[in-house]
Amino acid sequence: AQSVTQPDIHITVSEGASLELRCNYSYGATPYLFWYVQSPGQGLQLLLKYFSGDTLVQGIKGFEAEFKRSQSSFNLRKPSVHWSDAAEYFCAVAPNAGNNRKLIWGLGTSLAVNP
Amino acid sequence: DVKVTQSSRYLVKRTGEKVFLECVQDMDHENMFWYRQDPGLGLRLIYFSYDVKMKEKGDIPEGYSVSREKKERFSLILESASTNQTSMYLCASSFSRYGYTFGSGTRLTVV
Repeated sequence: AQSVTQPDIHITVSEGASLELRCNYSYGATPYLFWYVQSPGQGLQLLLKYFSGDTLVQGIKGFEAEFKRSQSSFNLRKPSVHWSDAAEYFCAVAPNAGNNRKLIWGLGTSLAVNP
Repeated sequence: DVKVTQSSRYLVKRTGEKVFLECVQDMDHENMFWYRQDPGLGLRLIYFSYDVKMKEKGDIPEGYSVSREKKERFSLILESASTNQTSMYLCASSFSRYGYTFGSGTRLTVV
């Protein structure tokens, strides 16, 4: 079955430190890939997406993600974390075959930022 | 700015009440979705719709129904609210499989 795994439930980093959030997916072909962020009490906001082409994609708020086909991974990175980045981060995939419109979601990674 | 609007941010209802959660999108998206979000359980799909008057069950449809009479509006109905339906409800819309746009969520408390 198709699945998305975010291995880290909680991560704490210091402000100014670099960040990498992991995402692995299980799917036979290359899906469409997404990262979303959710601030407390809010809906989800799209950070970035990968459909094809350059495997390093840039998103909003200074985030980037790299698609690695060999590892079935789509890890999210930021070189220097700000206190306002504290939030829940979700990775999602959309199978790019057939007529399936549903995203498959990871369970999320909660990011805390120490001052 | 394109938008998905959920009618209420916070809602408190009594057990047994019929509850309507409304969602409106202004992007002419074909697909609309209702999720509930609970700590440790991530996002769970309740129902989705890919066209007017069309609906499909998601992973946890029991106790819920939906209505989509117009393309821009997708309503979630709790036929008889129960305390285990206390949750954050998120509406989203999409065009094809090109990612979702979410509303701000409705935090429903059933007492």
